[in-house]
Amino acid sequence: DTEVTQTPKHLVMGMTNKKSLKCEQHMGHRAMYWYKQKAKKPPELMFVYSYEKLSINESVPSRFSPECPNSSLLNLHLHALQPEDSALYLCASSQGTGNTNEKLFFGSGTQLSVL
Amino acid sequence: AQSVTQLDSHVSVSEGTPVLLRCNYSSSYSPSLFWYVQHPNKGLQLLLKYTSAATLVKGINGFEAEFKKSETSFHLTKPSAHMSDAAEYFCVVSPYSSASKIIFGSGTRLSIRP
Repeated sequence: DTEVTQTPKHLVMGMTNKKSLKCEQHMGHRAMYWYKQKAKKPPELMFVYSYEKLSINESVPSRFSPECPNSSLLNLHLHALQPEDSALYLCASSQGTGNTNEKLFFGSGTQLSVL
Repeated sequence: AQSVTQLDSHVSVSEGTPVLLRCNYSSSYSPSLFWYVQHPNKGLQLLLKYTSAATLVKGINGFEAEFKKSETSFHLTKPSAHMSDAAEYFCVVSPYSSASKIIFGSGTRLSIRP
């Protein structure tokens, strides 16, 4: 199984809602990532978990709260989002060796719209 | 600091003709370079990677790239374009200082004319 599975595929939420994005992989990878991608732009790194510990937070607003319950799962909890947070949210995973030649496996993303 | 520059935001070719997507890199060290492809409303998929083993790298779907240190380039090519190649292509460098924080180029949108 070489897939990264993200749910839901689409999400529409109001600015007062609380929702969660989910990501799952069964490749035994120990690094997991959240990226945000606006239309016609490259992905921007948000968070990195290494061995279930948060290792990188790219100064993301606190309305985004990541969680890594175990080595296969990654969540992104959303609360009080703004319309400018509308984007494609991509999850990725990698072996977690720290080598620069490590490839990332990406999920298909969650297309989020904030009204 | 390391960086990549994709020289064309949009490339359009006819089906069956060659594809050339250009990428230049900046790095003080021998870089790890990648090309990823993103089809509409999809995640990114690795096409190929360069890690100093060979300067000509072959990837999936008939793509290949040549690492040229003298020109600091890592251009992506394919001899004959197919309609299914229409997508966004990203050149990526993995920084020596932090392999988790890969650096994306701005992307090149490839269109294929019938």
